[in-house]
Amino acid sequence: DAGVTQSPTHLIKTRGQQVTLRCSPKSGHDTVSWYQQALGQGPQFIFQYYEEEERQRGNFPDRFSGHQFPNYSSELNVNALLLGDSALYLCASSYLRGNYNEQFFGPGTRLTVL
Amino acid sequence: EDKVVQSPLSLVVHEGDTVTLNCSYEVTNFRSLLWYKQEKKAPTFLFMLTSSGIEKKSGRLSSILDKKELFSILNITATQTGDSAVYLCAVGAIGANSKLTFGKGITLSVRP
Repeated sequence: DAGVTQSPTHLIKTRGQQVTLRCSPKSGHDTVSWYQQALGQGPQFIFQYYEEEERQRGNFPDRFSGHQFPNYSSELNVNALLLGDSALYLCASSYLRGNYNEQFFGPGTRLTVL
Repeated sequence: EDKVVQSPLSLVVHEGDTVTLNCSYEVTNFRSLLWYKQEKKAPTFLFMLTSSGIEKKSGRLSSILDKKELFSILNITATQTGDSAVYLCAVGAIGANSKLTFGKGITLSVRP
């Protein structure tokens, strides 16, 4: 049973560029949440997708956007990258009609902005 | 605003010691408290607690929730070097607000 997968593993970009990160949820899960984890901090909630719509959003600017596809996979897009966007980006999946708090995480994408 | 505070922020122990990690929280419409272990990248799910006073156990790890005093503890007995990691506590709420709010994490180092 495949768990949550994310790609790419690492990414290096320069300020002002745009980036797209990808996530495939655990089999049987229909909800995808994205988190940003800065060094030495806990993950911070960015947004959550269910039925191809953004259901909830954390305190992140509009430069952060996302998408969910019919197969439940998801993308996170960040425009106009800033140095402060350097972080580990984690995707978590869950099943909305189960205990949706029970979220399983992927290995993350390490984004470095130079 | 939902809040999770973990303590201590870091600790160093020797193999065989027992450790207790603390997590206190403030959240509207509390539903669940979760513990994760993070070694390099992906936080690995350990426990989800929803009921007060019921201990959950998995091998040398155990956890309990106190919904009246708004805290949880994670105990690790007979620690091993493989327990070295960051332990994250998160809380989730009822309803559409299903995001998890995390604490900063506790860095545990187990020396041989």
